[in-house]
Amino acid sequence: AQSVTQLGSHLSVSEGALVLLRCNYSSSVPPYLFWYVQYPNQGLQLLLKYTTGATLVKGINGFEAEFKKSETSFHLTKPSAHMSDAAEYFCAVSDTGAQKLVFGQGTRLTINP
Amino acid sequence: DSGVTQTPKHLITATGQRVTLRCSPRSGDLSVYWYQQSLDQGLQFLIHYYNGEERAKGNILERFSAQQFPDLHSELNLSSLELGDSALYFCASSVASGYKETQYFGPGTRLLVL
Repeated sequence: AQSVTQLGSHLSVSEGALVLLRCNYSSSVPPYLFWYVQYPNQGLQLLLKYTTGATLVKGINGFEAEFKKSETSFHLTKPSAHMSDAAEYFCAVSDTGAQKLVFGQGTRLTINP
Repeated sequence: DSGVTQTPKHLITATGQRVTLRCSPRSGDLSVYWYQQSLDQGLQFLIHYYNGEERAKGNILERFSAQQFPDLHSELNLSSLELGDSALYFCASSVASGYKETQYFGPGTRLLVL
């Protein structure tokens, strides 16, 4: 069964600083990986996804993620944080058997002015 | 806006009661998924329907049931509610069925059981 681990439930960075949100997955087959963002009192919005092909995936709002099979990682980055990036971020892997998303526990990102 | 709609946005009820949450998928999407988000359990998959048929079940309690109607909207029924059922319930939809599909989420229904 697939699983996801997000390192750190909270991350605080300064405005303009690099954002790095870590995600490691476990999957016995080539994974389909996703990053979702949840703004306060809102639903989940798809940031980006990796299916096959290019390992560096670009998403919305300046975010990108790199799939590294050797490290079983799919870390999310943004070169320069903006106040509007404050939200909770979820990494997810698609379960090949049950046709569901398996989510990490989420990382709450705080941006300091 | 994902195109997935959920009603109601908020729901406050008492223990022992029954509620129905409604979800309308994006236009053209045949799959509907239900998830529960709580502080202690995180985001948990409940159930998946494809074109009216149940396709997969997750950590869904026997007190909970769901269905997808011919017009493809779905309803999640929660009965004999307990305090621990208080959570955010999300619906997601995708074009087809299968692990390669991208799921688009609705805004959620926040349920508070008192």
